[in-house]
Amino acid sequence: GENVEQHPSTLSVQEGDSAVIKCTYSDSASNYFPWYKQELGKRPQLIIDIRSNVGEKKDQRIAVTLNKTAKHFSLHITETQPEDSAVYFCAATSDTGFQKLVFGTGTRLLVSP
Amino acid sequence: DADVTQTPRNRITKTGKRIMLECSQTKGHDRMYWYRQDPGLGLRLIYYSFDVKDINKGEISDGYSVSRQAQAKFSLSLESAIPNQTALYFCATSGSFGNQPQHFGDGTRLSIL
Repeated sequence: GENVEQHPSTLSVQEGDSAVIKCTYSDSASNYFPWYKQELGKRPQLIIDIRSNVGEKKDQRIAVTLNKTAKHFSLHITETQPEDSAVYFCAATSDTGFQKLVFGTGTRLLVSP
Repeated sequence: DADVTQTPRNRITKTGKRIMLECSQTKGHDRMYWYRQDPGLGLRLIYYSFDVKDINKGEISDGYSVSRQAQAKFSLSLESAIPNQTALYFCATSGSFGNQPQHFGDGTRLSIL
């Protein structure tokens, strides 16, 4: 089955810096890669996703890149702000039959003013 | 707003008790999921359901059972709770076609003494 590894487990940056979180996956059939943000005590919320037919997707300060050959994908946050502080989860799945997301173990991002 | 609602939000109980966590949704989604979240382990899939007549085991189904009472309702039961089932439990829903984003409820924090 699919296995997703996520690094780093914690990341501290200064406000205005960029942050990068990396994930690797094991199943070459995986073709959908969402990223979720979970603030303290809140539900995980989808912030961006990418499908395997594209290599990069951007939404304002957030971007995701995908390298299918190397089986890794990354989340990039530019011009970080204190409200970006949260735990971020990557996930992967294939559409063979049913969508079973396999999540990474999370990255705690702390943005200091 | 269409949403995913979990009850109760918090529950403290004793070893050996039977517990039911409930999830209802107004999104009109066919697919529903139960996840468990433990610190450092991310989100792990317990059970998932296509529709009312479909129930499938996830990664960590031992010790749990589910019931899909209607399209909008999906319940998780712990028949005889044990302390290592202490965790944060999330219900999620998604649309049916291809890979669709999963939408999470606010979670149930369960403590078993």
